[in-house]
Amino acid sequence: KAGVTQTPRYLIKTRGQQVTLSCSPISGHRSVSWYQQTPGQGLQFLFEYFSETQRNKGNFPGRFSGRQFSNSRSEMNVSTLELGDSALYLCASRRASTDTQYFGPGTRLTVL
Amino acid sequence: DAKTTQPNSMESNEEEPVHLPCNHSTISGTDYIHWYRQLPSQGPEYVIHGLTSNVNNRMASLAIAEDRKSSTLILHRATLRDAAVYYCILNNAGNMLTFGGGTRLMVKP
Repeated sequence: KAGVTQTPRYLIKTRGQQVTLSCSPISGHRSVSWYQQTPGQGLQFLFEYFSETQRNKGNFPGRFSGRQFSNSRSEMNVSTLELGDSALYLCASRRASTDTQYFGPGTRLTVL
Repeated sequence: DAKTTQPNSMESNEEEPVHLPCNHSTISGTDYIHWYRQLPSQGPEYVIHGLTSNVNNRMASLAIAEDRKSSTLILHRATLRDAAVYYCILNNAGNMLTFGGGTRLMVKP
């Protein structure tokens, strides 16, 4: 089975721009979660989607949003980018019946 | 959210066992203890999880204290490939992992 894939792997943007990151979960996994990883704050939960509905949201401003499609693929969007948004953004998927999350390699976003 | 406490770093020699401790004194009865690890330049990887009883899988063993206030991840023979940051996480919601700082394991040849 193919693992979780994320595109693009690297991205450079400037302040004020917006960005969309994509995540394809493992086949059969209907839950997709997003995390932000920075050296200062570590790994932080952003949100989780299940069957196209957001089920949980972490403590991030409204500039961070996401969605899930009927094929379980998910996108997250960050608008009005700030320097502090520079981070590794990780996507994880899981089957509905288990707690184990499978992470993708991440998208490294640099905001200049 | 119940929190976990882990040492910042540990060192081990290759092919020796490694015991990674985790304290979680505020654990609730429904919290599962999960361990993930993150190799350099990769996303986190599931290692093992348990509720009350000790658990074994092909990667590691998890020893859980009788009062569940602490646990230990055991790598039976450390290899260079096991050098990573190991995260101990309490999870009762299944869908939201709260990561702490983790333990950076260094393996010496």
